[in-house]
Amino acid sequence: SQKIEQNSEALNIQEGKTATLTCNYTNYSPAYLQWYRQDPGRGPVFLLLIRENEKEKRKERLKVTFDTTLKQSLFHITASQPADSATYLCALHPSGSARQLTFGSGTQLTVLP
Amino acid sequence: GAVVSQHPSWVICKSGTSVKIECRSLDFQATTMFWYRQFPKQSLMLMATSNEGSKATYEQGVEKDKFLINHASLTLSTLTVTSAHPEDSSFYICSARDWGAATSAFFGQGTRLTVV
Repeated sequence: SQKIEQNSEALNIQEGKTATLTCNYTNYSPAYLQWYRQDPGRGPVFLLLIRENEKEKRKERLKVTFDTTLKQSLFHITASQPADSATYLCALHPSGSARQLTFGSGTQLTVLP
Repeated sequence: GAVVSQHPSWVICKSGTSVKIECRSLDFQATTMFWYRQFPKQSLMLMATSNEGSKATYEQGVEKDKFLINHASLTLSTLTVTSAHPEDSSFYICSARDWGAATSAFFGQGTRLTVV
């Protein structure tokens, strides 16, 4: 069966360090993968999208890698700040005509001052 | 980025009553909107895909008579939880995609439904 795993339910790191979150998937052939941020009681906010033919994408302090051989994406936040504390969700969009995204369960990141 | 507005942000209703949640795309036209449900510390689970001018497509296990979806215009989709029960209490989120601009999805703020 298809599965998306974000293998850390919670991650605590010290301010200034780099946070690395992992998203693994099985039985998918995603056309692209996305990362979202979700704060408590709020809807997800889009951060980055990476396509299957891209290895890496950057946006300010954020970096996403996509390894379709390993079926894994890594999401990095460099120089982390307490304001980065939130739940981060990865989502896959499969190849073909389907339009909906399928989400992982998220990793709750806490950046300690 | 595009803006999706969801209303209300929270609602408390009595068991047996119906509740309507609205989802509007404010600065783009959305031929397709999606409705999700999220339980605490869990992933967003797709409930249904709302198509403008046609019937919604429901995911397996989602009761279409319980969760009525109407997508009457290119900027508005509504989800009505009919005859709500306490087990329907959850966080409901809509999303829409601006197909003319990008492939990322934009989400509403979510609606916290509590059925008492």
